[in-house]
Amino acid sequence: SSELTQDPAVSVALGQTVRITCQGNSLRSYYATWYQQKPGQAPVLVIYGRNNRPSGIPDRFSGSSSGNTASLTITGAQAEDEADYYCNSRDSSGNHMVFGGGTKLTVL
Amino acid sequence: QVQLQQWGAGLLKPSETLSLTCAVYGGSFSGSYWSWIRQPPGKGLEWIGEINHSGSTNYNPSLKSRVTISVDTSKSQFSLKLSSVTAADLAVYYCARGGDGDYGFFSYYYMDVWGKGTTVTVSS
Repeated sequence: SSELTQDPAVSVALGQTVRITCQGNSLRSYYATWYQQKPGQAPVLVIYGRNNRPSGIPDRFSGSSSGNTASLTITGAQAEDEADYYCNSRDSSGNHMVFGGGTKLTVL
Repeated sequence: QVQLQQWGAGLLKPSETLSLTCAVYGGSFSGSYWSWIRQPPGKGLEWIGEINHSGSTNYNPSLKSRVTISVDTSKSQFSLKLSSVTAADLAVYYCARGGDGDYGFFSYYYMDVWGKGTTVTVSS
């Protein structure tokens, strides 16, 4: 079982804002990292650290954290944002990495 | 721009050892973590383990007894061996480059460059 918990599925209307959450005790010490994965492709890093976006990631993606919950927010969701999103961090021991179970985002 | 190219046997029989290698092109091998992650069909991502350039490793506790990750800095390559495979090891296996940082109390880890993935099938 994963130490990071995500909702299995979330939907958003085109152009609207959606928040995808990730809960876990390790998030009280580690920032969550967020990955986007489209079918048949390798995951892509979208948010890391406090709220950092790698080059090429649109600024409609942002990250935040409070207590044991991390959030990925997409402001003005686009059709191309439809994908699986995974959170990831060190576990409570600090020696291992863990992934959330993933959230399937549907853009309506 | 760093790229990772991975290769290895894609079809194994039960009890055999999975062996994959990932080569790093276009960047420094030192100062990063080098990880393996897998994804069973239709399921989520599972971290297998990591190694740094000096050879220090961390493994997923659920796989630790069967996993070995090694590094060859002279070739800028790192490798995964998973012994005694079963049908449960059927997955796409990815290699990835990792990095870290901190803001005082809070730390963060990320994997910013990924290989394309290798599908591993286990069948008798």
